Amino acid sequence: DAGVIQSPRHEVTEMGQEVTLRCKPISGHNSLFWYRQTMMRGLELLIYFNNNVPIDDSGMPEDRFSAKMPNASFSTLKIQPSEPRDSAVYFCASSPRGQNYGYTFGSGTRLTVV
Amino acid sequence: DQQVKQNSPSLSVQEGRISILNCDYTNSMFDYFLWYKKYPAEGPTFLISISSIKDKNEDGRFTVFLNKSAKHLSLHIVPSQPGDSAVYFCAASGGGSEKLVFGKGTKLTVNP
Repeated sequence: DAGVIQSPRHEVTEMGQEVTLRCKPISGHNSLFWYRQTMMRGLELLIYFNNNVPIDDSGMPEDRFSAKMPNASFSTLKIQPSEPRDSAVYFCASSPRGQNYGYTFGSGTRLTVV
Repeated sequence: DQQVKQNSPSLSVQEGRISILNCDYTNSMFDYFLWYKKYPAEGPTFLISISSIKDKNEDGRFTVFLNKSAKHLSLHIVPSQPGDSAVYFCAASGGGSEKLVFGKGTKLTVNP
């Protein structure tokens, strides 16, 4: 298995632009999670899905952030418009639902908003 | 309010010695705890876990201890190796939720 695949690995964009981050979870994993890592706040959960349905989006910072999971093999996290304070590493993770194996993380997308 | 706290941002140990990483939590609903290891430019990878019904779990050089009354857990690495140099995250879940709440991490450096 190729693991959780995220793209792009790096994204540099100008303030005000739309940014879309992509994630392909491990096949057969029912749960998908989006995390953001910053120096100040560490790893924060933004949103998670079970069977493609958003379960908890309480960590999404503002209406500028949105996430979708149109099918079991693809999810997007969109920021529109982007701001410099959105600069962070964004991780996607997946897990087999209901099993305490923890998550498998992707390699992350480093986002820089200038 | 941080529910999972790793109060030491960094730790440095000599190769062959024991590394002890600590983690405290505040939420009594947490019943499952995990440690993740992260190398630069990579995602965190699962290392070891422990359920609240246990107080110790061992996997090779790695042992996690859980003290529920103190709401404290620790990760012991014996013997430490230079390849163990990474950031270690403590995480917790509970209350029937799949959500993992992470600490801010401790950067471990193992010196040859």
